Amino acid sequence: EVQLVESGGDLVQPGGSLRLSCAASGFTFSDYWMHWVRQAPGKGLVWVSRINSDESITSYADSVKGRFTISRDNAKNTLYLQMNSLRAEDTAVFYCARSTGASFFHHWGPGTLVTVSS
Amino acid sequence: DIQMTQSPSTLSASVGDRVTITCRASQNINRWLAWYQQKPGKAPKLLISQASSLESGVPSRFSGSGSGTEFSFTISSLQPDDFATYYCQQYNTYSTFGQGTKVEIK
Repeated sequence: EVQLVESGGDLVQPGGSLRLSCAASGFTFSDYWMHWVRQAPGKGLVWVSRINSDESITSYADSVKGRFTISRDNAKNTLYLQMNSLRAEDTAVFYCARSTGASFFHHWGPGTLVTVSS
Repeated sequence: DIQMTQSPSTLSASVGDRVTITCRASQNINRWLAWYQQKPGKAPKLLISQASSLESGVPSRFSGSGSGTEFSFTISSLQPDDFATYYCQQYNTYSTFGQGTKVEIK
């Protein structure tokens, strides 16, 4: 069974940093593209970033470009999102998701909450 | 960037009703469109990919159509479990979600 489990969400002050992790199991992690999607409280889904299977391709939404870095460790079956210079508007539940190629998201984790507040 | 305009934002309906949601892309996305269902406190669930391809295990009352810039999603006979929020997503260029449609009980 495909499982994705995010962790690392926390309360952080504006300007601070946080690293999210997404542990994958039940499939060959190194075969798939992975994504981060976020959802602010009471709001809609927003794609944040993606990475291809061998880390040679990464992409970011304009709102996080230069502040967030996506990476993966295929040996540990884990996806990461390093978030720097956090702002109040980054407050959201962050989901990791899996796709076959650069496509739709067939599997999602349950999400981890990031709160940016002083 | 490709923008996705989804409507309506809220839809009030009764069990048994036929409901339709539309999604318009700001440029041609061919058929690279997916539909998701999300319930409160849960991750989204993929229902349809490639505009009209129903995912395995998804009831046949759900359907999708369209290509280019105009798409629609239909629930042929609304069931109690279908009250949720639905999102379209383009994956032609990176990824963009529509604003969502909350289907609520009338």
